[in-house]
Amino acid sequence: AAGVIQSPRHLIKEKRETATLKCYPIPRHDTVYWYQQGPGQDPQFLISFYEKMQSDKGSIPDRFSAQQFSDYHSELNMSSLELGDSALYFCASSFLASGSRNEQFFGPGTRLTVL
Amino acid sequence: QKEVEQNSGPLSVPEGAIASLNCTYSDRVSQSFFWYRQYSGKSPELIMSIYSNGDKEDGRFTAQLNKASQYVSLLIRDSQPSDSATYLCAVNGYGNNRLAFGKGNQVVVIP
Repeated sequence: AAGVIQSPRHLIKEKRETATLKCYPIPRHDTVYWYQQGPGQDPQFLISFYEKMQSDKGSIPDRFSAQQFSDYHSELNMSSLELGDSALYFCASSFLASGSRNEQFFGPGTRLTVL
Repeated sequence: QKEVEQNSGPLSVPEGAIASLNCTYSDRVSQSFFWYRQYSGKSPELIMSIYSNGDKEDGRFTAQLNKASQYVSLLIRDSQPSDSATYLCAVNGYGNNRLAFGKGNQVVVIP
């Protein structure tokens, strides 16, 4: 079965640079979520989109923005990168309209390292 | 207070034994409850979901939910070395779709 696709898998940036992370949800899924997981931490919710509209916003810095496109893929844009932004970034998707009670399936993640 | 609590330290179990994991949550109106397995450096993998009070069994896994006590548990029967991972409890609150995670419990299955 198709899974969530994320790219790139690894990204190394310098402080103050910009990064763009991409997510392709499972086909037919209508909701995309972004989570950040620091070393030894649990995943923290950043932002979500339902049918291409922002549906919820969590602890996402103002330096970050995200959107979902007409083909349902989503991009997380991160500017003025800081050392503390180094983390695993996961995208998850779910099919809320199916009544699946929000089972979220995670992509493989992007490991961002800020030097 | 963290929204989802998993307080137990690393759990070591012999191969073939039962591993028992516990989780409590603070939002009384939480609707959906999940257990994810995460291997080091990998993404969380959904292994169980439960929505109603009682037990739900899927293969070697059993999830138990008690909404009155705001308590969710996971039992892993016949533990295998491949079960060695961190198990994350996740809760979906009322009115939003984000998941709140506990800090996770590391399970080590000893052959």
